[in-house]
Amino acid sequence: GQQLNQSPQSMFIQEGEDVSMNCTSSSIFNTWLWYKQDPGEGPVLLIALYKAGELTSNGRLTAQFGITRKDSFLNISASIPSDVGIYFCAYTGGSARQLTFGSGTQLTVLP
Amino acid sequence: DSGVTQTPKHLITATGQRVTLRCSPRSGDLSVYWYQQSLDQGLQFLIQYYNGEERAKGNILERFSAQQFPDLHSELNLSSLELGDSALYFCASSRGGEAFFGQGTRLTVV
Repeated sequence: GQQLNQSPQSMFIQEGEDVSMNCTSSSIFNTWLWYKQDPGEGPVLLIALYKAGELTSNGRLTAQFGITRKDSFLNISASIPSDVGIYFCAYTGGSARQLTFGSGTQLTVLP
Repeated sequence: DSGVTQTPKHLITATGQRVTLRCSPRSGDLSVYWYQQSLDQGLQFLIQYYNGEERAKGNILERFSAQQFPDLHSELNLSSLELGDSALYFCASSRGGEAFFGQGTRLTVV
């Protein structure tokens, strides 16, 4: 599958701050997905994006599908302690619609 | 709770051994996916089954195999284990849309 470049690799922020992370690819995608993995758990889908330029919110989370279809960002506003975890971008592709994940952004929220 | 159940949660075994990881998908989901999460390779797709048949293979080693049974539960068999096989193994299931992940099995090879 195509490689996803996700950044930053890790972030340390104060509670209440906003955070932004992004994913880029050299290929065009039809779908961008954002997952969160809590410690000791499997990934959980946060937001799915299906159209170039699409901006979608889920509570304090906002994600956008880039116009070029080669990038996406995820913003978290007013961070809280339970936002701690690893955030992954991903796309579905292949005959099985399997997921290809980025390398993840480890988020730590400091009190 | 995603509805996907994986057992065991933890497994410690020696090099050269064989283990079987089990996954029960969400009720009604015909597709089961297996993923491996390791520090150096990240989250990688291994293999997918749909209603008992293998549909797609990813970066799965020849020492690894899987199957899906008539009741739709799936097993991932890992043999001739090496230290580098230590990882989290996730199962996910879907009915065509969103995939739901289990809590994973943490395999440690010593």
